[in-house]
Amino acid sequence: GAGVSQSPSNKVTEKGKDVELRCDPISGHTALYWYRQSLGQGLEFLIYFQGNSAPDKSGLPSDRFSAERTGGSVSTLTIQRTQQEDSAVYLCASSPGTVLHFGNGTRLTVT
Amino acid sequence: AQSVTQPDIHITVSEGASLELRCNYSYGATPYLFWYVQSPGQGLQLLLKYFSGDTLVQGIKGFEAEFKRSQSSFNLRKPSVHWSDAAEYFCAVGAPERDDKIIFGKGTRLHILP
Repeated sequence: GAGVSQSPSNKVTEKGKDVELRCDPISGHTALYWYRQSLGQGLEFLIYFQGNSAPDKSGLPSDRFSAERTGGSVSTLTIQRTQQEDSAVYLCASSPGTVLHFGNGTRLTVT
Repeated sequence: AQSVTQPDIHITVSEGASLELRCNYSYGATPYLFWYVQSPGQGLQLLLKYFSGDTLVQGIKGFEAEFKRSQSSFNLRKPSVHWSDAAEYFCAVGAPERDDKIIFGKGTRLHILP
């Protein structure tokens, strides 16, 4: 398939544990976004990678959150010392320019 | 920085009735504007987009939206809704001058009465 792939699709973790969420964008897409979707909060912007530019990290809610994009392709969102309020669906999107192509998301549940 | 507001959290309309979902943005120049739809259990799908030119844009599934600079709005419309239109709708704004990130509103959930 040629779409954006996210893994895992579901993740249950205990409070205090670290988690890594993966995003495989569409090949050739220069832009990659991470958003968080919680009930009633819409799509909350987390981080934006564009080509070789420094990422826009202005949406990361705390220093427990970090993300990297290796080789301009695969991206990993890491949440350290997870808290219950981190429970949400984490969506990745890639774009060749401005139109976003979304993955199906990772549903994170922190118990 | 750009921002977007969707004033209505929930909207309920009868099947066959017309629909208008509101979106207001804040940006100093002409933004990129988008409407996305998320059906229950589905991913996000682009309905339509505005970059420049004709202010009335047509999208998929019979939707249209009109860019009104004077009102900083980009409202989504459909003349006659179908039960399958029940979904959550998101307006989004991008900043072309700065190649900046795309920001989404909090969404409007559309309910359809039979």
